[in-house]
This record gives sequence, structure tokens and C-alpha cells, in this order.
Amino acid sequence: NAGVTQTPKFQVLKTGQSMTLQCAQDMNHEYMSWYRQDPGMGLRLIHYSVGAGITDQGEVPNGYNVSRSTTEDFPLRLLSAAPSQTSVYFCASRQGIYGYTFGSGTRLTVV
Amino acid sequence: DAKTTQPPSMDCAEGRAANLPCNHSTISGNEYVYWYRQIHSQGPQYIIHGLKNNETNEMASLIITEDRKSSTLILPHATLRDTAVYYCIVRVARTGTASKLTFGTGTRLQVTL
Repeated sequence: NAGVTQTPKFQVLKTGQSMTLQCAQDMNHEYMSWYRQDPGMGLRLIHYSVGAGITDQGEVPNGYNVSRSTTEDFPLRLLSAAPSQTSVYFCASRQGIYGYTFGSGTRLTVV
Repeated sequence: DAKTTQPPSMDCAEGRAANLPCNHSTISGNEYVYWYRQIHSQGPQYIIHGLKNNETNEMASLIITEDRKSSTLILPHATLRDTAVYYCIVRVARTGTASKLTFGTGTRLQVTL
């Protein structure tokens, strides 16, 4: 039981490049979400999903796309990277009323 | 979801109990209190949650006042490894629709020798 797995752990992008941050969970959790955390700040919700085929926007969705074709996977796509997207990205999942399980994060730098 | 208020920082001596308060005076009857912590550079870690009764697990105890307007997270014997930012979050535990966490700035707990 690996929990929530995020890849890659570190990434450097050039402005304008696109990439996909991967997130996978093996707990059959219904809910999954993506957060970003900027230095010294709390987490902000980017996108979330309540089940396969269903996604919705969070607080800061601009510049990001998501899809949920399976229960296990919830990738986050950066369409055209900008320096303002330099951040640590966390994926999380949960089931029912229980607490979220977070991944270990992807540290992204856009130059 | 109800808003929460936490002190920005607290200190605790190792081996002593750490009592972290949270004010949620606008909490609704169907909202749960959740506690998470984030150790430097790691993903947040779920600690405990409760509705109106006190709760205890292997990590901590959660004390919720009778009027549910505030709560206290208790780490009974704090260690250096408990140094982290602790987040108190109040939200409805929906099961059929969207549910998200709104993180505030939390309480930075420093455990010292």
C-alpha cells in the first residue's frame, strides 16, 4: 500500500514549456485534489475531483488542466509554464469523512 | 466552510504536553473539525478529526467544547519530531459532492529540549 505517489519530485522548466505532474493513489479513494504551496504560505486548491470523469476548479485553476480517467490517477497539466507557477505541488486523496492523504510533493521551478 | 483562528506560533518543552487551540466560532452543526500538520518541506499529514465528542488516537487527542466554538489538539508527550505547522480546518464532511480543504496559516509549534 503506497498511498499517494507523486512524480517527479523535482522539475525545472523554461517559461512556455508544458508538462504533466503525475499523481496516483492505490487506496481506491473517491476524492482527489491538487494544491500548491508557495514559500511561507498555506496550501491553495487548484483543481479537485469527486470521482472518475468528474473534475472541478478550485481557488487558483488558471494555467492548469486536470483529468480523471481512472479512480487511481489524477494528473495535473501545466499548459504554458510561467515563473509565477514556481511552487511546491501536493496531490491528496480521501474517502468519506476521513482525513486526506497527501503525497510527498513536486518541487517545480520555472525559469 | 467555517473560518478558524489559530495562534501563529507556540513553544513546548520536549516531553511535555502541547496544547494547540483553535477558534471556530461560526461552525455549523454538520461541520467537522480536522487537524493536520506539516513538517518542513513534507506533505501535510492528517492527525485527527471530530464532530462534537472528544476523540483520541495514537497521535493525539482532540477536545471540542460543548458549544463547538473552539477546540484543542493535545500532543501528550511532545518530541522534537513534532515540530511542525499545525492546521485546524473546519468543513462539512460531504460524501456525494465536492469537498475541499481550506488551509489557513496554522500554528507553528516549536518543540525544544
